[in-house]
This record gives sequence, C-alpha cells and structure tokens, in this order.
Amino acid sequence: SQQGEEDPQALSIQEGENATMNCSYKTSINNLQWYRQNSGRGLVHLILIRSNEREKHSGRLRVTLDTSKKSSSLLITASRAADTASYFCATDTGAQKLVFGQGTRLTINP
Amino acid sequence: DAGVIQSPRHEVTEMGQEVTLRCKPISGHDYLFWYRQTMMRGLELLIYFNNNVPIDDSGMPEDRFSAKMPNASFSTLKIQPSEPRDSAVYFCASSFDSGGGYGYTFGSGTRLTVV
Repeated sequence: SQQGEEDPQALSIQEGENATMNCSYKTSINNLQWYRQNSGRGLVHLILIRSNEREKHSGRLRVTLDTSKKSSSLLITASRAADTASYFCATDTGAQKLVFGQGTRLTINP
Repeated sequence: DAGVIQSPRHEVTEMGQEVTLRCKPISGHDYLFWYRQTMMRGLELLIYFNNNVPIDDSGMPEDRFSAKMPNASFSTLKIQPSEPRDSAVYFCASSFDSGGGYGYTFGSGTRLTVV
C-alpha cells in the first residue's frame, strides 16, 4: 500500500474556484511535499511543510499538515486554466528517499 | 543552470533490444534518482545515488535493468534486453539531500515504448 495517498483521484472545477486536494500517509514523517506535473512533463516541486509546521503559504497555494491525523491538504485559490495538472504529495519518512502518492488529476474548466 | 537534462525524450525500440537512457543532474546536487511512471503503478523509485555511489537499488525490477553514475554530471539507466512491459516514462531527478529537504528537481523524462 502507498505511504501517501491522494484524494480525490480526479477533480474538475470551474476557473476561479478553489481546489482542495488531500493526502494521507501511514508512518511518521520529517516533511511532506507537494509537486505538480503537467501533461508530458516532469514533476515540479511546489511547497514543503515540515513535521513541526501546521500551515504554509506560497502565492495561491496553502498547505496544511495534521500529524495527529497523518494528513495534509493542498488548497489552490482562484484557480486558473494553467493549474490543470496532476498533483502529488511526497513524504520523507527518514528512509532517505521520498515516497510519492498516486496523484490527483485536476482539471480547470474555462 | 539548465535543470536536469534527460535524453532522449522519446525512444521506440523493438523487444530484445538494448536501451540506454541518459541523465545530467544539476551541478552541486549530491543525490540522483531514477523513477519510472506508469498508469498502473504510478511513480516508482528504481535506484538512487549519493556522490556517484548507488545507495538503494531495491526498486530495480530485475537483472535486465542496470544503472551507473561514472561521474557527478552523468548517469545512465540501461535495459537489456527490453520487453514491452518496460514501456513507461522514466524520470531522473536530483537533489541536495535524499529526504528532499530542498525538494527534488525532475527532468522532463524519457518516454520509452517497446514494441
């Protein structure tokens, strides 16, 4: 089973709306990261939140982390067509490698 | 820096042929990772290197796969002989550390099709 599992698997919203994606994990972590992958491209690092942090912002991105529930959420506010992509969470468990989830496919409709 | 550079971008080969994928990491990054992405299995870590030394190759599917890093600026992933089930997108990534405290930087990938 995956260390990180995103929910939902797919999300379709209208441009301008907010998009929320969730990630759950199983073991304790040092940090959790979110990546974006546009179609046909590599993953791009978006934001990192450490285990002792609860919330972090970067532009239109807001990430929260609840270590008691072993979950994180990524909120994209005021979505744009260019935000259409797959979003992955990745966890650093101290095993010297990141483990990626299966991703959420986000579609922004104009 | 131009980022992580992978070549070729696309490769189509016949079953049984040898395939070599190439990667140039970002200068100064001590860690290099090879991932494989498929619809069925998602993103799988195949192997990673620290300072050119292979650290964990537990994700390499079988002996047909091998990876080398002869110097800090170059790595190869070789499949010999290739099989149709090897068809996937192969990504190389590099980082300052293994836990991604600075994030991983991914290349654009090599889409491999084995017919």
